[in-house]
Amino acid sequence: GAVVSQHPSWVICKSGTSVKIECRSLDFQATTMFWYRQFPKQSLMLMATSNEGSKATYEQGVEKDKFLINHASLTLSTLTVTSAHPEDSSFYICSARDSEYSNQPQHFGDGTRLSIL
Amino acid sequence: EDQVTQSPEALRLQEGESSSLNCSYTVSGLRGLFWYRQDPGKGPEFLFTLYSAGEEKEKERLKATLTKKESFLHITAPKPEDSATYLCAVRPATGRRALTFGSGTRLQVQP
Repeated sequence: GAVVSQHPSWVICKSGTSVKIECRSLDFQATTMFWYRQFPKQSLMLMATSNEGSKATYEQGVEKDKFLINHASLTLSTLTVTSAHPEDSSFYICSARDSEYSNQPQHFGDGTRLSIL
Repeated sequence: EDQVTQSPEALRLQEGESSSLNCSYTVSGLRGLFWYRQDPGKGPEFLFTLYSAGEEKEKERLKATLTKKESFLHITAPKPEDSATYLCAVRPATGRRALTFGSGTRLQVQP
């Protein structure tokens, strides 16, 4: 079945550091990828929709200059948390859908746990 | 605005004790309702997609059903390995392409 790979799975870094998270679709092409954030015991909150070759669409309240998204190819999207602070600590999960069949389910990566000291 | 409400928030069952999880939704035209399973520290794993009222899908001990206002995930004779958080999500027929998730039901099955 479809597989989405996310890397790294775990990051600990100092406040002020920028962190890049990669999301790859391994066996299908995805013109659209999604980035979610999840706090403990809470559901997934959509941060932005990433479109291959164009600018990402951010949800209300998500700072686009803080969370930089690049979707340079049909199989790779990256999320960069710039100048991260402790309040950015969270579980970040990417998702992708097969671009050919839009009714197909979104498949998710295994997430990146980000801890900012 | 699309809304998804799941109940109960948490459920503890004995092994073999069947039960149902509820997902109530409000959406401006439903393109699909999705059930996912999420284990701690992992991303959601796809279980089912339901497209129209009356539709049912089954996989092992799980069965998902759909009406115009809600969906149920029935768990028959659960095992400890079924312990996880079960998430329901909807995708509207128009507009935003992303899924809107409910807050999930944390299921614990005790041996």
